[in-house]
Amino acid sequence: ETGVTQSPTHLIKTRGQQVTLRCSSQSGHNTVSWYQQALGQGPQFIFQYYREEENGRGNFPPRFSGLQFPNYSSELNVNALELDDSALYLCASSFGTQNTEAFFGQGTRLTVV
Amino acid sequence: GESVGLHLPTLSVQEGDNSIINCAYSNSASDYFIWYKQESGKGPQFIIDIRSNMDKRQGQRVTVLLNKTVKHLSLQIAATQPGDSAVYFCAEGYSGGYQKVTFGTGTKLQVIP
Repeated sequence: ETGVTQSPTHLIKTRGQQVTLRCSSQSGHNTVSWYQQALGQGPQFIFQYYREEENGRGNFPPRFSGLQFPNYSSELNVNALELDDSALYLCASSFGTQNTEAFFGQGTRLTVV
Repeated sequence: GESVGLHLPTLSVQEGDNSIINCAYSNSASDYFIWYKQESGKGPQFIIDIRSNMDKRQGQRVTVLLNKTVKHLSLQIAATQPGDSAVYFCAEGYSGGYQKVTFGTGTKLQVIP
């Protein structure tokens, strides 16, 4: 076990709805990165949060947003859900932004119908 | 743009044999590379990483080789075991900025008992 926990594990939403996914980082870690993994693909970087601020962003539209809290846990929010948003959403925690050894949670499987 | 790809989508190996998983990358600025193992229903698990100033790094039963001339890296698994069956991803990153890693599409390793 990595110590990174995500909730919920599975979620079904309707197109157009909004969703919030949560991630608790490993103890001692202050950086959380979020990834989207479509079926049969590698994870795609969404954004990273470091000390409660967005520290980098991948090629995702603004309807993907996030937060990081003082305890370094994090949320991923997706507005106006589209069918193509169906994927496994992964968070990874690490210490600092340069640490290559990030620990992933088990992911949240989001299905948009 | 940057991309990471794999030569073989599926690799079948007899238990006890050595496995070699290959990966090509295209971003010359990448200065570290990571191999992840992802089992069904789980998040990626860090296996081993290598910095661009190295060409070989060994871990427990695993060795990563990096050839910057041809932008190629490989993961060698010695004495492959059934528990090694999983999808393996290579990922590249650049430590000059935030910790964004770019994943490839993955290679599925099937270990034949």
